[in-house]
Amino acid sequence: DQQVKQNSPSLSVQEGRISILNCDYTNSMFDYFLWYKKYPAEGPTFLISISSIKDKNEDGRFTVFLNKSAKHLSLHIVPSQPGDSAVYFCAAQSSNNDMRFGAGTRLTVKP
Amino acid sequence: DSGVTQTPKHLITATGQRVTLRCSPRSGDLSVYWYQQSLDQGLQFLIQYYNGEERAKGNILERFSAQQFPDLHSELNLSSLELGDSALYFCASSSRASYEKLFFGSGTQLSVL
Repeated sequence: DQQVKQNSPSLSVQEGRISILNCDYTNSMFDYFLWYKKYPAEGPTFLISISSIKDKNEDGRFTVFLNKSAKHLSLHIVPSQPGDSAVYFCAAQSSNNDMRFGAGTRLTVKP
Repeated sequence: DSGVTQTPKHLITATGQRVTLRCSPRSGDLSVYWYQQSLDQGLQFLIQYYNGEERAKGNILERFSAQQFPDLHSELNLSSLELGDSALYFCASSSRASYEKLFFGSGTQLSVL
C-alpha cells in the first residue's frame, strides 16, 4: 500500500539552479510531513518538516511546500550544490499512524 | 552520528536460517521503528514500538517478529529466511510516539544466499 508516492525516481540539475522534488500522499489523516536525505552506506537523515497547519516551511536553502487539498508536497533546494546529490525520501505521519516513506528520488547536482 | 546503533552491519546467511538484528536507540528515546529497504525500493515500514509496547504494524511477514526490551533496545528476528529477504534493515528512534523526526541507524545489510 503506497500511501506516500514519489513518482520521479531520479532528477538531475545543474549546480546553482533550483531542485524541485515532489511527493503525493493518499491518506487524508496524515498531518505531519518530513523530508529525509540519504547518502550511500548511511541511514537517512532528517532534513526539514512541515505540519498541516502550515503551507510553507523554510530552512536555509531548503523550503517545503504543502498543498493539503491536492495532497501534495514539494521540496525546493535553492541554489543546488553538488553536495546535495543524494536520495531524498518524503515521509508522512498522523497521530495514529506510523511514519510512512515514499520510494525516494535520486538527486544528482552536476557541477 | 545519529546516536542509533545497529548491529551487525553486515550479515550473510543461508535460506531457511534465522537471524537477529539489534538496535540501540538514542539515549532517552522511547520509540523504535524498523524499516526494510530492498534494492531500488523505498523504506518499507515493518513495525514500531513505544516504551516496550507494540504501537503500529506495517507489512511485516509472519516469519518476522520484534520486541523492545525494558532497557529500550530492540531486536528484529527474521526466521525461515528466503532469498527475497535480502535487504537493508534500518532501525530508527524518536523520543515521542509520533509527530517527531526519526533518527536512523546506519542499517544492517542482510544477504541470504
